[in-house]
Amino acid sequence: AQSVSQHNHHVILSEAASLELGCNYSYGGTVNLFWYVQYPGQHLQLLLKYFSGDPLVKGIKGFEAEFIKSKFSFNLRKPSVQWSDTAEYFCAVRGFSGGYNKLIFGAGTRLAVHP
Amino acid sequence: DGGITQSPKYLFRKEGQNVTLSCEQNLNHDAMYWYRQDPGQGLRLIYYSQIVNDFQKGDIAEGYSVSREKKESFPLTVTSAQKNPTAFYLCASSIGATGELFFGEGSRLTVL
Repeated sequence: AQSVSQHNHHVILSEAASLELGCNYSYGGTVNLFWYVQYPGQHLQLLLKYFSGDPLVKGIKGFEAEFIKSKFSFNLRKPSVQWSDTAEYFCAVRGFSGGYNKLIFGAGTRLAVHP
Repeated sequence: DGGITQSPKYLFRKEGQNVTLSCEQNLNHDAMYWYRQDPGQGLRLIYYSQIVNDFQKGDIAEGYSVSREKKESFPLTVTSAQKNPTAFYLCASSIGATGELFFGEGSRLTVL
């Protein structure tokens, strides 16, 4: 069965620190990859997505993610975090195998950024 | 503004009572979904619907029911058969089955 693993459940950083959140998935075929973010009190929203092409994708608010097919990974990065990046981040994967291809979410990573 | 509206935002119910959570979208999306979010478990799919008058069970459909009589609406009923109904419920929609999901603000159900 497909699964998504996010390595860190809680991350605490100071402002201006660099961020990397890990995401690995288990599926050998074609995938669409997503990172969603949930800011405190707000709804889940799309941060960035990968469907095909350049494996380095850029999203909103300075975030980027790199798809490494050989490692089944889609890690999220930001060179310098801000207090406003405090949120919960979810990696999600859709594998294509015929029929309905559902989106599988990771358990999420809570990021707290201290000023 | 286009979006997804979930109501109520907070709901308290006694054990044994059925409750219905509303989800309405004005994005003209064909597909709609219900997820359950529990701390440390991410989002788990309850039911989804790719088209009006059709819906399918997700990974944790037991104790839940849905209907899709209109494109805009996808209500979720949490029945008394759901063993652990206290949770945060999220409704989402997408243009097609492979598109990105747009989420509502969620409904927090507490069963006393």
